[in-house]
Amino acid sequence: AQSVAQPEDQVNVAEGNPLTVKCTYSVSGNPYLFWYVQYPNRGLQFLLKYITGDNLVKGSYGFEAEFNKSQTSFHLKKPSALVSDSALYFCAVRGNDMRFGAGTRLTVKP
Amino acid sequence: IAGITQAPTSQILAAGRRMTLRCTQDMRHNAMYWYRQDLGLGLRLIHYSNTAGTTGKGEVPDGYSVSRANTDDFPLTLASAVPSQTSVYFCASGSPGTTQYFGPGTRLTVL
Repeated sequence: AQSVAQPEDQVNVAEGNPLTVKCTYSVSGNPYLFWYVQYPNRGLQFLLKYITGDNLVKGSYGFEAEFNKSQTSFHLKKPSALVSDSALYFCAVRGNDMRFGAGTRLTVKP
Repeated sequence: IAGITQAPTSQILAAGRRMTLRCTQDMRHNAMYWYRQDLGLGLRLIHYSNTAGTTGKGEVPDGYSVSRANTDDFPLTLASAVPSQTSVYFCASGSPGTTQYFGPGTRLTVL
């Protein structure tokens, strides 16, 4: 079965600095990869996805993610973090069904 | 307003009681899903339905059942609740294999 790993429980960055939230995956066949964000007491919101095509995917709120097939990674990035980006981020991979990582809590400090 | 609604928002339940969590979507998505979210474990798929009239088991189906009588509704039933089913439950919908859209969640506590 497919799986996703988010190696960092917590990521802290200063406002204005670039941020990276890491994700690696395992799936047979072509990967369908997703990033979601969850704000407190809310459901998950879709940020971006990779299905095929350009390895750099641009999504909502200035986020982007880079698909790297050789490293089986799909790291989420943003050039300049905002305090309002503080939230829980989930990576997911679609195989027979959708599998989510355990989540990474991003804290952006002013 | 298009989206997914879940009810109740939260519930405290005695162990052994039966409980149905409701989920309704108005986006005419074929597929619907139920997840539970537990600290440190992320979201785990309980059951899913790729189209009305069909259902399938996810990663953690034991103790739960679902039905899909029509496109819009996808209720999740706990026949006899146990404390390990204390969790936050999220319903989602989408076209199979693509982006999923999530409801606001139901916080369930089983005592």
